[in-house]
Amino acid sequence: KNQVEQSPQSLIILEGKNCTLQCNYTVSPFSNLRWYKQDTGRGPVSLTIMTFSENTKSNGRYTATLDADTKQSSLHITASQLSDSASYICVVSSQTGANNLFFGTGTRLTVIP
Amino acid sequence: NAGVMQNPRHLVRRRGQEARLRCSPMKGHSHVYWYRQLPEEGLKFMVYLQKENIIDESGMPKERFSAEFPKEGPSILRIQQVVRGDSAAYFCASSPEDEKLFFGSGTQLSVL
Repeated sequence: KNQVEQSPQSLIILEGKNCTLQCNYTVSPFSNLRWYKQDTGRGPVSLTIMTFSENTKSNGRYTATLDADTKQSSLHITASQLSDSASYICVVSSQTGANNLFFGTGTRLTVIP
Repeated sequence: NAGVMQNPRHLVRRRGQEARLRCSPMKGHSHVYWYRQLPEEGLKFMVYLQKENIIDESGMPKERFSAEFPKEGPSILRIQQVVRGDSAAYFCASSPEDEKLFFGSGTQLSVL
């Protein structure tokens, strides 16, 4: 069964600290893995997209890693800011086309001053 | 260039009524996707459309749900005879040819 599991479910950190969010998947075949940020009441916004051959990709203070052998990905946030408070969603594509996406339930991150 | 526009943001319907959700894709995007998000669950694919064509509706219930993306105007997701279980956030996304998705802010449907 194609699944995407994220951990932790929720996380609270102090402003300025780093954190790492985890994603494990069983989706097969594999096309790409995406991380999205979703603010409350808004739609998801793309942070990174990684294909099978990429094992790390950065977008500002966000760095995603991918281990296609173990089917694991992580999203590392550096020097967190209050505006980083959001849900972070891991999405795995089984083949080309956005109609073949499997969404995790997200990690709810809260950054406190 | 405005983003993906969805309206209404909130929609309240009584059981048995019809719900119409609208989505205007980003300018130049010809691919539209609809997703449903239940509380505490991930987004679930419903339907993928291009102008005047349904490409993939495998995620959409066979009854009461329909979608269209006419030559002119927004994409419409229609739910007939709504039931309480239809209460959810419905997100639309559009993309150019390269698969990168741009999401709207969603429509929160509440069925009383």
